[in-house]
Amino acid sequence: SSELTQPPSVSVSPGQTANITCSGDELPKQYVYWYQQKPGQAPLVIIYKDTERPSGIPERFSGSTSETIVTLTISGVQAEDEADYYCQAGDSSGIYVIFGGGTKLTVL
Amino acid sequence: QVQLVQSGAELMKPGSSLKVSCQASGYTFSNNYIHWVRQAPGQGLQWMGSINPSGGDTKFAPRLQGRVSMTRDMSTSTVYMQLRSLKFDDTAIYFCARVDPVAGTFDHWGQGTLVTVSS
Repeated sequence: SSELTQPPSVSVSPGQTANITCSGDELPKQYVYWYQQKPGQAPLVIIYKDTERPSGIPERFSGSTSETIVTLTISGVQAEDEADYYCQAGDSSGIYVIFGGGTKLTVL
Repeated sequence: QVQLVQSGAELMKPGSSLKVSCQASGYTFSNNYIHWVRQAPGQGLQWMGSINPSGGDTKFAPRLQGRVSMTRDMSTSTVYMQLRSLKFDDTAIYFCARVDPVAGTFDHWGQGTLVTVSS
């Protein structure tokens, strides 16, 4: 079955750049979506269709792709960016939805 | 404004059946698929399945096939998720989420329903 693999944790200092990766064999054929989830809240979409940013999401959030790896980049990390981040895509059949295991971003 | 309002917290026994509701407002109910996603304590997001309010067709995660069903009530713009034969590890927060058909995103979420399975 399809899987999306993320690093469990990433730590950066304020103002630095955070890169969170998501890898999966099916990613070249599927769009990837990124969600931010803060404690006690529902997830919030921050990147859709690999690289697009919804209105209202700060420009410091961006997405990129390279073969079987997609990357969420947060430039100039702020304390408020501390959260869990999940990638999401369709599985190999395109029927089901799959989420990565999530990455906890810690702002030092 | 778009809102998805879920039913309240539930305490369930192992082996029993759960039914959680998600009432939509602020948009045309039939235009957007509704998905269910759950999150066990301290764990990640797990997709459960989806329903097309327009036709009622459903898709379910393979690991939940046979235990989960989803229905909708067009008169009240409400989607229901039922999970049978509950196990301890079904303890989770259950979210409904609407899909934006253009962007493909889960663009609006319910507030979540905490379900605890305990004997």
